[in-house]
Formats: sequence, C-alpha cells, structure tokens
Amino acid sequence: DAGVTQSPTHLIKTRGQQVTLRCSPISGHKSVSWYQQVLGQGPQFIFQYYEKEERGRGNFPDRFSARQFPNYSSELNVNALLLGDSALYLCASSVLREQYFGPGTRLTVT
Amino acid sequence: EDKVVQSPLSLVVHEGDTVTLNCSYEVTNFRSLLWYKQEKKAPTFLFMLTSSGIEKKSGRLSSILDKKELFSILNITATQTGDSAVYLCAVENNAGNMLTFGGGTRLMVKP
Repeated sequence: DAGVTQSPTHLIKTRGQQVTLRCSPISGHKSVSWYQQVLGQGPQFIFQYYEKEERGRGNFPDRFSARQFPNYSSELNVNALLLGDSALYLCASSVLREQYFGPGTRLTVT
Repeated sequence: EDKVVQSPLSLVVHEGDTVTLNCSYEVTNFRSLLWYKQEKKAPTFLFMLTSSGIEKKSGRLSSILDKKELFSILNITATQTGDSAVYLCAVENNAGNMLTFGGGTRLMVKP
C-alpha cells in the first residue's frame, strides 16, 4: 500500500506570495493533520481535519488555512509568506489514533 | 500551554553502546505519549504509551511511561549506525486531535 504522499517535494517562494501544499492520505484514512517543522525543532501542530471538518487548530495566524476534499486528500494554504514560514511541512493521516507521516514539503521563503 | 521537553539535545555514542533518551511533559489533557524516529523527513512511529509502568519493547528498543512523574524514557541497546536519527517524543491530547512534540534528541552512532 502507498504511504502518505505530499507534493511538491521542494518549493521556493518570495516573501508576500501565497503557496498551496497537497497531501494524499493512506487509503482508508479519513483524518489528515498538518505540522510545521522548523529546522532543528520538533513538528508543531497546525490543523487536523476529519471527514472534511476541521477538528483542531494550532497556534498559527489566519494566513494559514486548510481544507479536506471528499476523497480525504487535503491542501494547506499559506498567504502573505514570511521568511519565518520557511520549514518542512508534514502531513499525517490516521484511521484510529496512530498517525502516519508523509515525507513533507520543504518550503523556502526568500 | 502544553509542553514537552526532551533531553539530551544531542548524543554521540559508539556502536554497541546503550542509550537512554528522556521526555518530560506538562499537558492539561493527557491521552498518550508517542515516540517517533526521524531520519530524513517523515517521522516513523515507534511506540504509543498510555499506561504507567508497562514497558513496550520492539527489538533493541524499549520505552516506559511514568504518569505520576510525567516522563518517559526510550532505551536503545546495542546501538548500530542505523540508529542514527532524531528521536521525537509527542503527547496526544484527550480529544485525540493533536500531537504536541518535543524538540527531539539527535543521536549519532559512530562505527
């Protein structure tokens, strides 16, 4: 079975731009979570979606938004990019409680 | 605010050594504690601990939780170079909708 997939792998954007990151969960998993991992730190929770509904939101500004589609895939959008948004963005899917992580999207903001 | 602290920040050992990684937490609604291994990008699941005093074991890795003292340890015996990675500890809240991670311990195992 395929694991969690994320696209793109790497992305370079300029300050002020907008970005969309995509995640496809493991087949059968209805829950998707997003995390931001700044270099040298642990992942920080951004959002969780279950059955297209937002179930949890971390301490991130409104520039961050997400949605989940009927096929359970998800998008994370970040507007008005700042240099501090440079990080590895991880998506995790789960069917019960164990979360399986994708390889992440490395976002660099210049 | 929920908090997870891992120690040490980094560790260098030689193959065959035994290591102990520490994780302490302060959370308002604890449900479980999880350990992950992160080699390059995707953290991979190691253990989920919910009950105090019950050791979980997988090969050379083992972990235990103390809910009274609010900490967990991850032991790796007979370390190998393939154990080199960042080890992450995370706490799951009662709603089951988020993980709070510690900063990780970077382990380097030298031949």
